[in-house]
Amino acid sequence: GAVVSQHPSRVICKSGTSVKIECRSLDFQATTMFWYRQFPKKSLMLMATSNEGSKATYEQGVEKDKFLINHASLTLSTLTVTSAHPEDSSFYICSATLDRGAGGQQFFGPGTRLTVL
Amino acid sequence: SQKIEQNSEALNIQEGKTATLTCNYTNYSPAYLQWYRQDPGRGPVFLLLIRENEKEKRKERLKVTFDTTLKQSLFHITASQPADSATYLCASLNDYKLSFGAGTTVTVRA
Repeated sequence: GAVVSQHPSRVICKSGTSVKIECRSLDFQATTMFWYRQFPKKSLMLMATSNEGSKATYEQGVEKDKFLINHASLTLSTLTVTSAHPEDSSFYICSATLDRGAGGQQFFGPGTRLTVL
Repeated sequence: SQKIEQNSEALNIQEGKTATLTCNYTNYSPAYLQWYRQDPGRGPVFLLLIRENEKEKRKERLKVTFDTTLKQSLFHITASQPADSATYLCASLNDYKLSFGAGTTVTVRA
């Protein structure tokens, strides 16, 4: 149980285009979803926290107009990288949690590798 | 500022030996620490959670300790196998958000 999927797994796009990444909790309803970014050999950096039906909360230094997050239902959150540039190339990972208490275990998606040319 | 750090970037170990990874935190006192496994090109997978009032937690060949005096957690893989080769991340829960260490990449030689 507690499976999270992401789509697409890889995407290559031209500079200036927008890319949408979907994150779905397949067998549970997620109270909260999180979006992370990870550079090679680096730690996961939290970008934003997403709750169904409300605006996402962004971490300091993350541009909300650049990284649009929509959490339309308890099983789906989307991250749109707008006007992508080569420096946006990275590994984007989402996670979902059942309960923000109880130790806050998060279930992670498989990640999306974004390459901006 | 609050920091969580894993001081070894890489650990090479012979099959059958015990791998010990270290996670240190500074300037805060997390109520929980978590350990995840991450394989290349994949998202992290939850392994173990330990609370601040627990000294030790075990799951099969894995053992985690939490020392609030030293501000440190140790993660042990006993009887290591080549299939244990991966990057292991520690994470602390602050409010409801996770902060991750940079990870330690373990390579188990047959």
